[in-house]
Amino acid sequence: KAGVTQTPRYLIKTRGQQVTLSCSPISGHRSVSWYQQTPGQGLQFLFEYFSETQRNKGNFPGRFSGRQFSNSRSEMNVSTLELGDSALYLCASSKRTGANVLTFGAGSRLTVL
Amino acid sequence: GQQLNQSPQSMFIQEGEDVSMNCTSSSIFNTWLWYKQDPGEGPVLLIALYKAGELTSNGRLTAQFGITRKDSFLNISASIPSDVGIYFCAGDSNTGNQFYFGTGTSLTVIP
Repeated sequence: KAGVTQTPRYLIKTRGQQVTLSCSPISGHRSVSWYQQTPGQGLQFLFEYFSETQRNKGNFPGRFSGRQFSNSRSEMNVSTLELGDSALYLCASSKRTGANVLTFGAGSRLTVL
Repeated sequence: GQQLNQSPQSMFIQEGEDVSMNCTSSSIFNTWLWYKQDPGEGPVLLIALYKAGELTSNGRLTAQFGITRKDSFLNISASIPSDVGIYFCAGDSNTGNQFYFGTGTSLTVIP
């Protein structure tokens, strides 16, 4: 059974650019959550998508957005990049029902110069 | 947002020693999860807890869901070098699949 796949694994951008990250969940998982991980702030919840609708949103500015497609794959976009956006962006999928757990991908490491 | 206090922040132990770490929250959780993260990788689920008082083992790892539903702990027995990594707790108050994470415990095992 394939795990959660995130692409790209590494990317470097400059301030002011925008970036799009992709996440393919485990087959059968319809919920995708995104987290930002930095050394100083730990794992911070960005948002969750289920059935193509944003269900939960963390405390991040509007520059951070996402979407989910009918096959449950999700993308997140960060516009007008700032130096502080440098982080490991983690995607996690879940069934959202029953004994719920989050299964994480390996992450996308974003460096903003 | 929800704050999870995880302690200790870091641990340096000798191989073969037992390890204990815990998480506390300011509100009640319905699910507690424990993860381990290696450098450059995503967190990997170790143990999931769904019921107050529940005690669950996974090999040398044991975790418990606190009776008050506001805390959980993880024990590792007879530590080995591959236990090195950062351990995170995560809780869900069942308000809609939004898990909150602890700040992590960095474990170093000295051979």
